[in-house]
Amino acid sequence: SQKIEQNSEALNIQEGKTATLTCNYTNYSPAYLQWYRQDPGRGPVFLLLIRENEKEKRKERLKVTFDTTLKQSLFHITASQPADSATYLCALELQTGANNLFFGTGTRLTVIP
Amino acid sequence: NAGVMQNPRHLVRRRGQEARLRCSPMKGHSHVYWYRQLPEEGLKFMVYLQKENIIDESGMPKERFSAEFPKEGPSILRIQQVVRGDSAAYFCASRGQGPSYGYTFGSGTRLTVV
Repeated sequence: SQKIEQNSEALNIQEGKTATLTCNYTNYSPAYLQWYRQDPGRGPVFLLLIRENEKEKRKERLKVTFDTTLKQSLFHITASQPADSATYLCALELQTGANNLFFGTGTRLTVIP
Repeated sequence: NAGVMQNPRHLVRRRGQEARLRCSPMKGHSHVYWYRQLPEEGLKFMVYLQKENIIDESGMPKERFSAEFPKEGPSILRIQQVVRGDSAAYFCASRGQGPSYGYTFGSGTRLTVV
Protein backbone atom coordinates (compact mmCIF):
# COMPACT_ATOMS: atom_id res chain seq x y z
CA SER A 1 0.00 0.00 0.00
CA GLN A 2 1.06 3.61 -0.45
CA LYS A 3 2.47 5.38 2.58
CA ILE A 4 4.07 8.68 3.48
CA GLU A 5 5.71 8.68 6.88
CA GLN A 6 7.21 11.64 8.65
CA ASN A 7 9.77 10.63 11.23
CA SER A 8 7.98 11.55 14.36
CA GLU A 9 4.88 13.36 15.45
CA ALA A 10 6.85 15.80 17.57
CA LEU A 11 10.43 17.01 17.69
CA ASN A 12 11.92 19.33 20.33
CA ILE A 13 15.25 21.03 19.79
CA GLN A 14 17.26 23.78 21.39
CA GLU A 15 17.38 27.21 19.81
CA GLY A 16 20.36 27.60 17.50
CA LYS A 17 20.61 23.90 16.64
CA THR A 18 19.76 22.33 13.31
CA ALA A 19 16.39 20.61 13.08
CA THR A 20 16.20 17.63 10.73
CA LEU A 21 12.84 16.26 9.68
CA THR A 22 12.41 13.08 7.67
CA CYS A 23 9.86 12.09 5.07
CA ASN A 24 9.84 8.48 3.83
CA TYR A 25 7.48 7.08 1.24
CA THR A 26 6.57 3.73 -0.27
CA ASN A 27 4.83 2.81 -3.52
CA TYR A 28 4.90 6.30 -4.95
CA SER A 29 6.95 7.65 -7.84
CA PRO A 30 6.85 11.38 -7.23
CA ALA A 31 8.08 13.84 -9.80
CA TYR A 32 8.38 16.52 -7.12
CA LEU A 33 8.45 16.73 -3.38
CA GLN A 34 7.16 19.76 -1.51
CA TRP A 35 7.49 20.96 2.07
CA TYR A 36 4.93 23.13 3.85
CA ARG A 37 4.69 24.82 7.21
CA GLN A 38 1.39 24.83 9.08
CA ASP A 39 0.66 26.88 12.18
CA PRO A 40 -2.30 26.05 14.47
CA GLY A 41 -5.58 27.17 12.98
CA ARG A 42 -3.98 28.20 9.70
CA GLY A 43 -3.58 26.75 6.23
CA PRO A 44 -0.31 25.20 5.04
CA VAL A 45 2.28 27.62 3.68
CA PHE A 46 4.52 26.47 0.84
CA LEU A 47 8.25 26.47 1.63
CA LEU A 48 10.22 24.53 -0.96
CA LEU A 49 9.81 22.22 -3.93
CA ILE A 50 12.48 19.81 -5.14
CA ARG A 51 12.38 17.82 -8.37
CA GLU A 52 13.18 14.12 -8.67
CA ASN A 53 16.40 14.86 -10.54
CA GLU A 54 17.63 17.35 -7.93
CA LYS A 55 19.62 16.18 -4.94
CA GLU A 56 19.42 19.28 -2.82
CA LYS A 57 17.76 22.67 -2.68
CA ARG A 58 18.34 25.59 -0.32
CA LYS A 59 16.42 28.68 0.66
CA GLU A 60 17.85 30.90 3.37
CA ARG A 61 18.09 28.68 6.50
CA LEU A 62 16.20 25.81 4.88
CA LYS A 63 17.70 22.87 3.03
CA VAL A 64 15.88 19.95 1.43
CA THR A 65 17.37 16.75 0.04
CA PHE A 66 15.60 14.18 -2.10
CA ASP A 67 16.86 10.62 -2.55
CA THR A 68 14.62 8.66 -4.93
CA THR A 69 16.63 5.47 -4.32
CA LEU A 70 16.05 5.59 -0.58
CA LYS A 71 12.59 7.10 -1.17
CA GLN A 72 13.35 9.75 1.38
CA SER A 73 13.50 13.50 1.78
CA LEU A 74 15.27 15.33 4.58
CA PHE A 75 14.28 18.85 5.61
CA HIS A 76 16.79 20.88 7.61
CA ILE A 77 16.35 24.17 9.43
CA THR A 78 19.70 25.58 10.49
CA ALA A 79 20.17 28.04 13.36
CA SER A 80 16.65 27.27 14.51
CA GLN A 81 14.58 29.94 16.26
CA PRO A 82 11.48 29.73 18.46
CA ALA A 83 9.55 31.30 15.56
CA ASP A 84 10.29 28.14 13.55
CA SER A 85 8.00 26.17 15.89
CA ALA A 86 5.20 24.78 13.74
CA THR A 87 4.04 21.59 12.05
CA TYR A 88 5.94 20.74 8.87
CA LEU A 89 4.27 18.71 6.14
CA CYS A 90 5.87 16.89 3.28
CA ALA A 91 3.86 16.33 0.12
CA LEU A 92 4.57 14.11 -2.86
CA GLU A 93 3.51 15.36 -6.23
CA LEU A 94 2.99 12.98 -9.11
CA GLN A 95 3.66 13.99 -12.68
CA THR A 96 0.08 14.23 -13.88
CA GLY A 97 -3.49 14.53 -12.77
CA ALA A 98 -5.38 16.92 -10.56
CA ASN A 99 -5.42 14.48 -7.64
CA ASN A 100 -1.66 14.29 -7.64
CA LEU A 101 -0.56 15.79 -4.32
CA PHE A 102 -0.32 13.48 -1.32
CA PHE A 103 0.51 14.76 2.17
CA GLY A 104 2.18 13.22 5.17
CA THR A 105 0.65 13.80 8.59
CA GLY A 106 3.38 16.21 9.62
CA THR A 107 6.00 16.67 12.30
CA ARG A 108 5.35 19.19 15.05
CA LEU A 109 8.59 21.05 15.72
CA THR A 110 9.16 22.97 18.94
CA VAL A 111 12.27 25.13 19.24
CA ILE A 112 13.08 25.73 22.88
CA PRO A 113 14.66 29.10 23.77
CA ASN B 1 -3.06 41.35 -3.11
CA ALA B 2 -5.16 38.93 -1.16
CA GLY B 3 -4.26 35.27 -1.27
CA VAL B 4 -6.82 32.49 -1.25
CA MET B 5 -9.83 33.65 0.75
CA GLN B 6 -12.11 31.28 2.61
CA ASN B 7 -15.18 31.93 4.70
CA PRO B 8 -16.45 31.37 7.20
CA ARG B 9 -13.42 30.56 9.34
CA HIS B 10 -15.56 28.57 11.76
CA LEU B 11 -18.89 26.92 11.14
CA VAL B 12 -21.02 25.02 13.61
CA ARG B 13 -23.88 22.89 12.33
CA ARG B 14 -26.26 20.47 13.93
CA ARG B 15 -26.52 16.98 12.55
CA GLY B 16 -28.75 16.95 9.49
CA GLN B 17 -28.19 20.60 8.54
CA GLU B 18 -26.39 21.86 5.46
CA ALA B 19 -22.93 23.41 5.45
CA ARG B 20 -21.74 25.81 2.74
CA LEU B 21 -18.07 26.67 2.53
CA ARG B 22 -16.82 29.40 0.22
CA CYS B 23 -13.48 29.95 -1.46
CA SER B 24 -12.10 32.65 -3.74
CA PRO B 25 -8.76 31.76 -5.36
CA MET B 26 -5.83 34.07 -5.82
CA LYS B 27 -6.34 36.97 -8.17
CA GLY B 28 -5.98 35.85 -11.76
CA HIS B 29 -6.55 32.17 -10.97
CA SER B 30 -9.60 30.44 -12.33
CA HIS B 31 -9.21 27.12 -10.57
CA VAL B 32 -9.43 25.79 -7.03
CA TYR B 33 -8.57 22.61 -5.21
CA TRP B 34 -10.47 21.56 -2.09
CA TYR B 35 -8.76 19.49 0.63
CA ARG B 36 -10.01 18.10 3.91
CA GLN B 37 -7.89 17.68 7.04
CA LEU B 38 -9.24 15.39 9.72
CA PRO B 39 -7.70 15.49 13.21
CA GLU B 40 -4.40 13.58 13.27
CA GLU B 41 -4.60 12.90 9.54
CA GLY B 42 -2.94 14.40 6.51
CA LEU B 43 -4.63 16.67 4.04
CA LYS B 44 -6.71 14.69 1.56
CA PHE B 45 -7.72 15.85 -1.91
CA MET B 46 -11.43 16.23 -2.51
CA VAL B 47 -12.11 18.04 -5.77
CA TYR B 48 -10.51 20.23 -8.44
CA LEU B 49 -12.62 22.81 -10.25
CA GLN B 50 -12.16 25.38 -12.93
CA LYS B 51 -14.71 28.06 -13.64
CA GLU B 52 -18.00 26.31 -14.43
CA ASN B 53 -16.32 22.88 -14.64
CA ILE B 54 -15.54 20.05 -12.26
CA ILE B 55 -12.27 18.59 -13.50
CA ASP B 56 -11.65 15.88 -10.90
CA GLU B 57 -13.93 14.95 -8.02
CA SER B 58 -12.37 11.59 -7.28
CA GLY B 59 -11.68 12.45 -3.64
CA MET B 60 -15.15 13.64 -2.80
CA PRO B 61 -17.71 11.32 -1.17
CA LYS B 62 -20.42 10.42 -3.67
CA GLU B 63 -23.26 11.29 -1.35
CA ARG B 64 -24.09 14.54 0.44
CA PHE B 65 -21.04 16.41 -0.93
CA SER B 66 -21.06 18.68 -3.97
CA ALA B 67 -18.91 21.48 -5.29
CA GLU B 68 -19.28 24.23 -7.82
CA PHE B 69 -17.33 27.16 -9.17
CA PRO B 70 -19.66 29.48 -11.03
CA LYS B 71 -18.63 31.99 -13.64
CA GLU B 72 -19.13 34.77 -11.12
CA GLY B 73 -18.47 34.45 -7.41
CA PRO B 74 -16.59 32.06 -5.18
CA SER B 75 -16.33 28.30 -5.30
CA ILE B 76 -18.78 26.58 -2.97
CA LEU B 77 -18.30 23.26 -1.21
CA ARG B 78 -21.67 22.06 -0.02
CA ILE B 79 -22.29 19.31 2.50
CA GLN B 80 -25.88 18.23 2.95
CA GLN B 81 -27.26 16.48 6.02
CA VAL B 82 -24.00 16.80 7.94
CA VAL B 83 -22.88 14.06 10.32
CA ARG B 84 -20.33 14.18 13.15
CA GLY B 85 -17.72 12.55 10.92
CA ASP B 86 -17.80 15.61 8.65
CA SER B 87 -16.18 17.68 11.41
CA ALA B 88 -12.83 18.72 9.97
CA ALA B 89 -10.86 21.60 8.55
CA TYR B 90 -11.60 22.24 4.89
CA PHE B 91 -8.98 24.07 2.86
CA CYS B 92 -8.99 25.35 -0.66
CA ALA B 93 -5.91 26.14 -2.69
CA SER B 94 -4.78 27.44 -6.02
CA ARG B 95 -1.47 27.29 -7.78
CA GLY B 96 0.71 29.41 -10.01
CA GLN B 97 1.70 28.33 -13.47
CA GLY B 98 4.23 25.54 -13.68
CA PRO B 99 5.45 22.91 -11.23
CA SER B 100 7.99 25.17 -9.56
CA TYR B 101 5.18 26.81 -7.69
CA GLY B 102 3.69 25.21 -4.66
CA TYR B 103 0.07 25.48 -3.70
CA THR B 104 -1.29 28.55 -1.95
CA PHE B 105 -3.82 27.55 0.67
CA GLY B 106 -6.51 29.57 2.35
CA SER B 107 -6.83 29.70 6.13
CA GLY B 108 -9.53 27.05 6.03
CA THR B 109 -13.01 26.58 7.38
CA ARG B 110 -13.29 24.59 10.56
CA LEU B 111 -16.56 22.73 10.51
CA THR B 112 -17.91 21.37 13.77
CA VAL B 113 -21.00 19.18 13.70
CA VAL B 114 -22.81 18.96 17.02
